[in-house]
Amino acid sequence: GQNIDQPTEMTATEGAIVQINCTYQTSGFNGLFWYQQHAGEAPTFLSYNVLDGLEEKGRFSSFLSRSKGYSYLLLKELQMKDSASYLCARKGNFNKFYFGSGTKLNVKP
Amino acid sequence: EAGVVQSPRYKIIEKKQPVAFWCNPISGHNTLYWYLQNLGQGPELLIRYENEEAVDDSQLPKDRFSAERLKGVDSTLKIQPAELGDSAVYLCASSFKGTPTDTQYFGPGTRLTVL
Repeated sequence: GQNIDQPTEMTATEGAIVQINCTYQTSGFNGLFWYQQHAGEAPTFLSYNVLDGLEEKGRFSSFLSRSKGYSYLLLKELQMKDSASYLCARKGNFNKFYFGSGTKLNVKP
Repeated sequence: EAGVVQSPRYKIIEKKQPVAFWCNPISGHNTLYWYLQNLGQGPELLIRYENEEAVDDSQLPKDRFSAERLKGVDSTLKIQPAELGDSAVYLCASSFKGTPTDTQYFGPGTRLTVL
């Protein structure tokens, strides 16, 4: 997906904090999205960053550094229901969206 | 407010048969997307509509895939004839162009199995 890289799989413990990283091609950048996708379900929108810095939304936060082509999704106070795939998506020129392959997060008790 | 509606949810067909998927976007959303998602991969764009116009169909295999969005609301994606490699989840998404974020909202998808 147009050079979007994110780890394939991560495991974390219930109640802990986990950070999912995403790197992307910086040319033609117009915004970075994070989606959550439970197995067999549709992706659901989590966050959007277009300026550098941290956007906090409850237990989830997303960070962006445009100069580094880097974003992360931070999940705090992990719950079992957070076990899902997390998709990083870059909005490019002409409203084209490029999705990463997703990071499968396993939350264990 | 209702979300993006897709039907059918599941479809099993034999290769060389035709198949069609239907999508009803969120009311008022002028942009509609069809994506293909393989297991363990992210969605890949097939076609994007702005109102009735297909503004990006560069990734649509036009020899066997076709799509339409008459009246700029519902859309249909068709495959004829289907091949084994077409087995995947077909996702429809919609957004309202004109908002700063242009956030896409996805339907539940149609899981296609070609035997």
